[in-house]
Amino acid sequence: NAGVTQTPKFQVLKTGQSMTLQCAQDMNHEYMSWYRQDPGMGLRLIHYSVGAGITDQGEVPNGYNVSRSTTEDFPLRLLSAAPSQTSVYFCASSTPQGTEAFFGQGTRLTVV
Amino acid sequence: AQKITQTQPGMFVQEKEAVTLDCTYDTSDPSYGLFWYKQPSSGEMIFLIYQGSYDQQNATEGRYSLNFQKARKSANLVISASQLGDSAMYFCAMREGQGGGFKTIFGAGTRLFVKA
Repeated sequence: NAGVTQTPKFQVLKTGQSMTLQCAQDMNHEYMSWYRQDPGMGLRLIHYSVGAGITDQGEVPNGYNVSRSTTEDFPLRLLSAAPSQTSVYFCASSTPQGTEAFFGQGTRLTVV
Repeated sequence: AQKITQTQPGMFVQEKEAVTLDCTYDTSDPSYGLFWYKQPSSGEMIFLIYQGSYDQQNATEGRYSLNFQKARKSANLVISASQLGDSAMYFCAMREGQGGGFKTIFGAGTRLFVKA
């Protein structure tokens, strides 16, 4: 039971570098989303997707891009990393009824 | 505007006692869902319980129950018979719209400390 798999678990970037956080799920969920969690705070929605080829912005989309070419994968791209993007990133996918979300283990990103 | 409000940054409870974690929400959508998640110190997000806006009964899952008061727009989590392993951050979340196709947003969380 893989569920939602995020890679990498840890990453250090220099300011201005770009990178892609990977997220894959094997539950055939249509709905996937990316969140960031800053210290002492809740999760803030970055982008989400309701199915392959469809994405939309969440609460804090600036500085991030997403695409959804397959049901299974939902990568998050940081175009030009900034220290303000230092955070823990979570990917989630939802059941078809939307009554539960399954989360990945998180990616701890540090931008120096 | 804040859509999910958790007013208790931290809570203490004695082991074996019950505790209520507060959550209020704001939405104009008649169809929405409310969730509670637990985040232990290891960092993973663990789903606890779900309540749909049209559900007539309060949701229960083992020691967890959701006190859903629709008119007050509150969805408090009740944990009965607290255990030391319940010490964690707890997040309330709301999904607006139907099915899995809409945004789910989170409150700031409540840190629960269970004392032996």
